[in-house]
Amino acid sequence: GENVEQHPSTLSVQEGDSAVIKCTYSDSASNYFPWYKQELGKRPQLIIDIRSNVGEKKDQRIAVTLNKTAKHFSLHITETQPEDSAVYFCAATLDSWGKLQFGAGTQVVVTP
Amino acid sequence: DTEVTQTPKHLVMGMTNKKSLKCEQHMGHRAMYWYKQKAKKPPELMFVYSYEKLSINESVPSRFSPECPNSSLLNLHLHALQPEDSALYLCASSQENQGDTEAFFGQGTRLTVV
Repeated sequence: GENVEQHPSTLSVQEGDSAVIKCTYSDSASNYFPWYKQELGKRPQLIIDIRSNVGEKKDQRIAVTLNKTAKHFSLHITETQPEDSAVYFCAATLDSWGKLQFGAGTQVVVTP
Repeated sequence: DTEVTQTPKHLVMGMTNKKSLKCEQHMGHRAMYWYKQKAKKPPELMFVYSYEKLSINESVPSRFSPECPNSSLLNLHLHALQPEDSALYLCASSQENQGDTEAFFGQGTRLTVV
């Protein structure tokens, strides 16, 4: 089955700096790669996603890149703000059942 | 309406109790999911329903019993749980049971087994 690895497990950044989280996946057939943000005590919320036919996608301060050959994808957050502090999960899915395989998560702390 | 609603928000139950978690969505999604999330861990898939039929059971113990009465509702019946079953239980739905569609999560039920 699919295996997703996520690094780093924790990330501390100064407000205004950029944050980068990296994930690798094992199954080359995976075709959908969402990123979820989960604040303490709340539900995971989709912040951006990318499909296997696209190499890069951007939404304001957030961008995701996908390298299918290397089987890795990354989340980039620019101009970080304290409200970006949360746990971020990458995920990959490969089959017809919409089954998400999550990475272990990255705790991001943005200090003012 | 882009919400997945779960009730109750919190639940404390004894190991001999029977309780049910409920999930509802009105987005016309035909795939619904139960995930279990322990503290500081990612969500783990438990069950997938596709067009109201159980399509995936991730080797979940029989003390967890899912039910999908109709396309908008998903229940999780709990019986004889163990303290290690304490976790956040998340319901999610997606438009189709395809590999490239967004899953919307409910706010979860925080379950404590005593």
